[in-house]
Amino acid sequence: LAKTTQPISMDSYEGQEVNITCSHNNIATNDYITWYQQFPSQGPRFIIQGYKTKVTNEVASLFIPADRKSSTLSLPRVSLSDTAVYYCLVANYSGAGSYQLTFGKGTKLSVIP
Amino acid sequence: KAGVTQTPRYLIKTRGQQVTLSCSPISGHRSVSWYQQTPGQGLQFLFEYFSETQRNKGNFPGRFSGRQFSNSRSEMNVSTLELGDSALYLCASSPGGTSSYNEQFFGPGTRLTVL
Repeated sequence: LAKTTQPISMDSYEGQEVNITCSHNNIATNDYITWYQQFPSQGPRFIIQGYKTKVTNEVASLFIPADRKSSTLSLPRVSLSDTAVYYCLVANYSGAGSYQLTFGKGTKLSVIP
Repeated sequence: KAGVTQTPRYLIKTRGQQVTLSCSPISGHRSVSWYQQTPGQGLQFLFEYFSETQRNKGNFPGRFSGRQFSNSRSEMNVSTLELGDSALYLCASSPGGTSSYNEQFFGPGTRLTVL
């Protein structure tokens, strides 16, 4: 199973771009990388998912280098409402709908006015 | 569409007791997964059910079990509770299917406190 490592916390000022990197050195060929956001007293919420290169949606971008040993979640122009914990997740797909999930410990992002 | 609902939201039990938590997935979703979240261990995968069958299982003792009903609703049971079982238990649903991992939609969780 892949092991994931991400920074415990990060601070950023409003309006800046924030990049959170997750290391997953032993990621397998079939593994997908997903990022979730969690606010206090709520369940995690899906942000973005990717397998390789770059994926972009309306809220974030996900950069995955060719070796896939890390991934970077990029949040453009953060606001105070982006203060939350961000988790990377590696999903190992082993066929027939079966997969194993490994979450990172989470990165607490604090956005400063 | 209504989101994932979990009941109860809060629960206090004593050591040795058992507990059953309930999860109603988003309408049309066939996959339900359960997670334990603690400050020390973070988010840990318990198990996943799809069409009433356990499809995946994490590394938890047999005291943790679950089931899924024909309407996709799921229950999780913990027997012989220990102090270390105090945690937020999260349920997540997804459309499921046999292809790659799907985006999951999480409920608000059930906060279990074991005294």
